Amino acid sequence: QSVLTQPPSASGTPGQRVTISCSGSSSNIGSNSVNWYQHLPGTAPKLLIYTNNQRPSGVPDRFSGSKSGTSASLAISGLQSEDEADYYCAAWDDSLNGPNWVFGGGTKLAVL
Amino acid sequence: EVQLVESGGGLVQPGGSLRLSCAASGFTFSSYSMSWVRQAPGKGLEWVSHISSSSSTIYYADSVKGRFTISRDNAKNSLYLQMNSLRDEDTAVYYCARWDSRGYDCWGQGTLVTVSS
Repeated sequence: QSVLTQPPSASGTPGQRVTISCSGSSSNIGSNSVNWYQHLPGTAPKLLIYTNNQRPSGVPDRFSGSKSGTSASLAISGLQSEDEADYYCAAWDDSLNGPNWVFGGGTKLAVL
Repeated sequence: EVQLVESGGGLVQPGGSLRLSCAASGFTFSSYSMSWVRQAPGKGLEWVSHISSSSSTIYYADSVKGRFTISRDNAKNSLYLQMNSLRDEDTAVYYCARWDSRGYDCWGQGTLVTVSS
């Protein structure tokens, strides 16, 4: 059971807009920034969004992030076949046992 | 080009030990915090451990605390993960990742650790 909760799957057709949610708590999303990662199996994960809504250079502006309270979301507009991948939200969690970096369980995006 | 290359994975029996290495190149290794992240078969990403640039701050996931030790050698541009008392549930692809203020911005391709008798 992941500390951050994501839907296990999402889907859309080319050109559509898809949103992936990420729910946490006051000890993680509620008090820290959220990152999003894109992961194609067998490859290195890729930083997609940092500090809730910032894109690293090279990431298309079709990808956008937002955060409100203890939840965050990733939106992908103009869906393309190459967007088919696993997406993870992540944040620092200020637990009683010490800081932990926590990932969501991941959302598998299918482009139909 | 920024590059991280993991090595040291393999098959080990439950209760055994393994040492993973991550060779960094293309950037000033000593300026960055580093981490290990793993992915078990059919599962999601799981953060394992984090070490600051000078090794002064180290964090572990509860699942590996007391069994795994993260370390680094800035002179050799290398990150390590000593894994002891390995369990079946430690079977995973282990990635090393570079941390900057934005997040884990660079990752290796991973090395597979299989714990099985």
